[in-house]
Amino acid sequence: DVQLVESGGGLVQPGGSLRLSCVASGFTFSNYWMSWVRQAPGKGLECVANINQDGSEKYYVDSVKGRFTISRDNAKISLYLEMNSLRAEDTAVYYCARDRFSGRGYFDYWGQGTLGAVSS
Amino acid sequence: QTVVTQEPSFSVSPGGTVTLTCGLNSGSVSTSSYPSWYQQTPGQAPRPLIYNTNARSPGVPDRFSASILGNKAALTITGAQADDESDYYCVLYRGSGISVFGGGTKLTVL
Repeated sequence: DVQLVESGGGLVQPGGSLRLSCVASGFTFSNYWMSWVRQAPGKGLECVANINQDGSEKYYVDSVKGRFTISRDNAKISLYLEMNSLRAEDTAVYYCARDRFSGRGYFDYWGQGTLGAVSS
Repeated sequence: QTVVTQEPSFSVSPGGTVTLTCGLNSGSVSTSSYPSWYQQTPGQAPRPLIYNTNARSPGVPDRFSASILGNKAALTITGAQADDESDYYCVLYRGSGISVFGGGTKLTVL
């Protein structure tokens, strides 16, 4: 079975950093685009970053450009999101999701999410 | 900036039919936007329903269908059941880069 397990969330002060991880299993990780999708409390979903199979293409939503970095290690079947200069509005559950069709936004498997909270 | 629009809320009677839509603040939705749809209940990760405009995800019952209606993507639920009460999100692909979620529709079955 496909599984995506996120970790690394927590409480951090404004301006601080968090590094999220997602470990994949049950499929050939290196064959798929992967994405981070977040959901602020009581709000909708937002795709914040995605990455192609070998990490040579990365895209970000405007609100996180220059602050967040998506990366992957195919040997460790892991996806990462380095989040710096965090703001209160970055508080959200962050989901790791597999993009089935090369970055076209069909997320066919999701992790359970990890909460990143930014507060003083 | 791309804004994907959805009805904030909708209500349907049990057994009834409802169509939720997904549009763009400027321009039309077409199959080249590869519309997909997700269902989410509180505290859970989203569940994929539809991809590539009208293809059902594995395990999704055929009372969920989707299409392009006019200049929008549409998700139709036929024979609504109590456990269809959820938030529904569409996603549109906007060329190379990030796909964009709509704001979601809260569906009430009553």
